[in-house]
Amino acid sequence: GGIITQTPKFLIGQEGQKLTLKCQQNFNHDTMYWYRQDSGKGLRLIYYSITENDLQKGDLSEGYDASREKKSSFSLTVTSAQKNEMAVFLCASSMDSGGSDYTFGSGTRLLVI
Amino acid sequence: TQTVSQSDAHVTVFEGDSVELRCNYSYGGSIYLSWYIQHHGRGLQFLLKYYSGNPVVQGVNGFKAEFSKSDSSFHLRKASVHWSDSAVYFCAVSANYNQGKLIFGQGTKLSIKP
Repeated sequence: GGIITQTPKFLIGQEGQKLTLKCQQNFNHDTMYWYRQDSGKGLRLIYYSITENDLQKGDLSEGYDASREKKSSFSLTVTSAQKNEMAVFLCASSMDSGGSDYTFGSGTRLLVI
Repeated sequence: TQTVSQSDAHVTVFEGDSVELRCNYSYGGSIYLSWYIQHHGRGLQFLLKYYSGNPVVQGVNGFKAEFSKSDSSFHLRKASVHWSDSAVYFCAVSANYNQGKLIFGQGTKLSIKP
């Protein structure tokens, strides 16, 4: 079986800092996603990528950059961390962009002090 | 525009009780409807999905969901819950024409009393 790994599991940053979150999958899935999860707000899509070197903005892309240099990896950068920000960032992959099931990583928990 | 609404933020039942977690959606074409479960501190796990055919979909661990076009609903049910079913449940919608992006509801936290 495959696995999707997010690093780091916990990330503490300072206000204004640029922070990078990484996601790796070995399913050979084409499509990868980054979601932000805030308490009581469900999941909101930040960026997604349907193939290597492709990037598509989601509803919450402002303040973030993403990179898909390899099919197996998808990184997310918080361009300027906001003070007191606290959220969980979830990476997911799916076989294609045609409604296939998602496989999620276990998340990166961000706290900005 | 696709939207998903889960009207109950929190549901509490006793172990062995039946439970229904509600999901309503709006959409503009052919869609997939799915349910995901998130245990505390973990990522989401796929439970089940509907696209076409039999409106009742069986998932893992005794969960099932029923699609209703007339009610625009896709409610999740389980006949007898176990304490390990305590988790947050997310309903989601996606569509081929929208590159398969999942749009999630706000989630329903299911708590099981012993």
